[in-house]
Amino acid sequence: DTAVSQTPKYLVTQMGNDKSIKCEQNLGHDTMYWYKQDSKKFLKIMFSYNNKELIINETVPNRFSPKSPDKAHLNLHINSLELGDSAVYFCASSPAAWGTDTQYFGPGTRLTVL
Amino acid sequence: RKEVEQDPGPFNVPEGATVAFNCTYSNSASQSFFWYRQDCRKEPKLLMSVYSSGNEDGRFTAQLNRASQYISLLIRDSKLSDSATYLCVVNSNTNAGKSTFGDGTTLTVKP
Repeated sequence: DTAVSQTPKYLVTQMGNDKSIKCEQNLGHDTMYWYKQDSKKFLKIMFSYNNKELIINETVPNRFSPKSPDKAHLNLHINSLELGDSAVYFCASSPAAWGTDTQYFGPGTRLTVL
Repeated sequence: RKEVEQDPGPFNVPEGATVAFNCTYSNSASQSFFWYRQDCRKEPKLLMSVYSSGNEDGRFTAQLNRASQYISLLIRDSKLSDSATYLCVVNSNTNAGKSTFGDGTTLTVKP
């Protein structure tokens, strides 16, 4: 059984489009995250939610809007996609809110903006 | 200065070699430390947590030096399958426990 799943795995789209990436975890964890890994492989946190509440919001353009309908799901919607948004987006989850626990990552969504 | 710094490498070593990576962090309030491993085009996965007293898991040994604010990972008897990028992760109990990932150290083990 997949612990943290993301859909889609690959996403190719044109500049200016709006797209969403979905993430689900079946581990019963309270906290979920979105990370961006760019072409240089640097992994940066974007958002963190604990029990559906936003607790970390790094300096991310407001074209990115996370939504957590329940604590098992954290989706990422991106408006007006730009070339620089091309990256791999990883969802992750952990048991606790304070980042002291292991994070479990999803397989990633490879976004290419043309 | 970056919050978490690693030597990017690449480290190219022969099978059987011992290799060590260091990672320095700038936030003295950091509380939790981890090493993750990321294979090419895959997600990061926990390799091991790092405890104050140091800890060992098979061929892997992790050490923490709070005074100098660095952690290390030692891999003994390297295997081809150890080839990956190793990410140092530092968590703080402030800032909602944000995890800060280092930029990774790439290891290639050659026959």
